[in-house]
Amino acid sequence: AQSVTQLGSHVSVSEGALVLLRCNYSSSVPPYLFWYVQYPNQGLQLLLKYTSAATLVKGINGFEAEFKKSETSFHLTKPSAHMSDAAEYFCAVSSGGGADGLTFGKGTHLIIQP
Amino acid sequence: DARVTQTPRDKVTEMGQEVTMRCQPILGHNTVFWYRQTMMQGLELLAYFRNRAPLDDSGMPKDRFSAEMPDATLATLKIQPSEPRDSAVYFCASGGDRGYGNEQFFGPGTRLTVL
Repeated sequence: AQSVTQLGSHVSVSEGALVLLRCNYSSSVPPYLFWYVQYPNQGLQLLLKYTSAATLVKGINGFEAEFKKSETSFHLTKPSAHMSDAAEYFCAVSSGGGADGLTFGKGTHLIIQP
Repeated sequence: DARVTQTPRDKVTEMGQEVTMRCQPILGHNTVFWYRQTMMQGLELLAYFRNRAPLDDSGMPKDRFSAEMPDATLATLKIQPSEPRDSAVYFCASGGDRGYGNEQFFGPGTRLTVL
């Protein structure tokens, strides 16, 4: 069994500030971890993925995430927030590398204050 | 620009009616997923297919939901009869099975409202 917990259903940051979205996972096998972003009335778009290679993963739009096995975490960060980053962010886990179904967290709504 | 397409984008129906949602996966992708998104439950996997064969439909209510892949370019999700609790956004996603770290490409979703 696997699960994902995203701490904070809403996160608000000022434009230009650090973005930190938290994700903790539970998996009985080595996990494959993903972060997706969803803009209003759209589908999900992959930001980045961890596939057991480098623990620090860089994605699109300046986002990155670090896999920490000891903490079972995969937090998403961005050094400087832009207004265009306002969206819903989902962390997901797969035991089959994404070739099987994903288990998603509840999501974090990121609000950017001008 | 290859993308997953879903039809219809919006569907309003009355309780008891049959609903059919369609998905065209990205050409060459052999795995198709159906997810449902609600405010209460978030994103849930309903079912998925590989090479048109169902691999897992444990997330799908069996009494009223059915999923099929008539051919490699079409996946369908049917609800019969529909109920108000089925109101949600239904996403189709497609991907490959070669190697790990496969990305799933999501369609824009079908927003279903059952009155």
